[in-house]
Amino acid sequence: DQQVKQNSPSLSVQEGRISILNCDYTNSMFDYFLWYKKYPAEGPTFLISISSIKDKNEDGRFTVFLNKSAKHLSLHIVPSQPGDSAVYFCAASASGNQFYFGTGTSLTVIP
Amino acid sequence: DAGITQSPRHKVTETGTPVTLRCHQTENHRYMYWYRQDPGHGLRLIHYSYGVKDTDKGEVSDGYSVSRSKTEDFLLTLESATSSQTSVYFCAINDRGPSSYNEQFFGPGTRLTVL
Repeated sequence: DQQVKQNSPSLSVQEGRISILNCDYTNSMFDYFLWYKKYPAEGPTFLISISSIKDKNEDGRFTVFLNKSAKHLSLHIVPSQPGDSAVYFCAASASGNQFYFGTGTSLTVIP
Repeated sequence: DAGITQSPRHKVTETGTPVTLRCHQTENHRYMYWYRQDPGHGLRLIHYSYGVKDTDKGEVSDGYSVSRSKTEDFLLTLESATSSQTSVYFCAINDRGPSSYNEQFFGPGTRLTVL
């Protein structure tokens, strides 16, 4: 059963606007969350992370928000750029356990 | 970029044949992982290694075996390939293990097709 879910397989956004990618999880023991970005024919690359003691982490144009009560996290990209077009995976882990990945959301930023 | 290579990058094989995929790292990281990526499933952990000759199973380990005789190499073997093992396989590394608060670095992937 999928413990980390990304319910939107795809998302299209105009250049310069905000992209919001969502991720839900079911395991309340998860305490560390990451976002990865993946271009075609390449491996995923780390983007940003957040631990459960925080509700927000920011790195340049990328901000991750964590709502523990709702078991929900989101990645905001502002402003979106064409180079952001990729598949984004969220991942979660509990201390002493493996990472569980979502199914990915394909983001297209339209110039 | 982390120094991770995978070989081969593409492979087509027939059902019932053995297949070995290789992951090579130049970062001297202790932990190495094998994942498979399939539509509708994201990335799923097959096996991981926490040191030379030390390995453990992930969530989808059936039909796969691994070996790690050197820090830099982690081999994934399909003893008798099946069509359900058609997938893209990624190797990953990190230096503090799955329970640590740090990310994994991924290789470029191997696309395996089992006919």
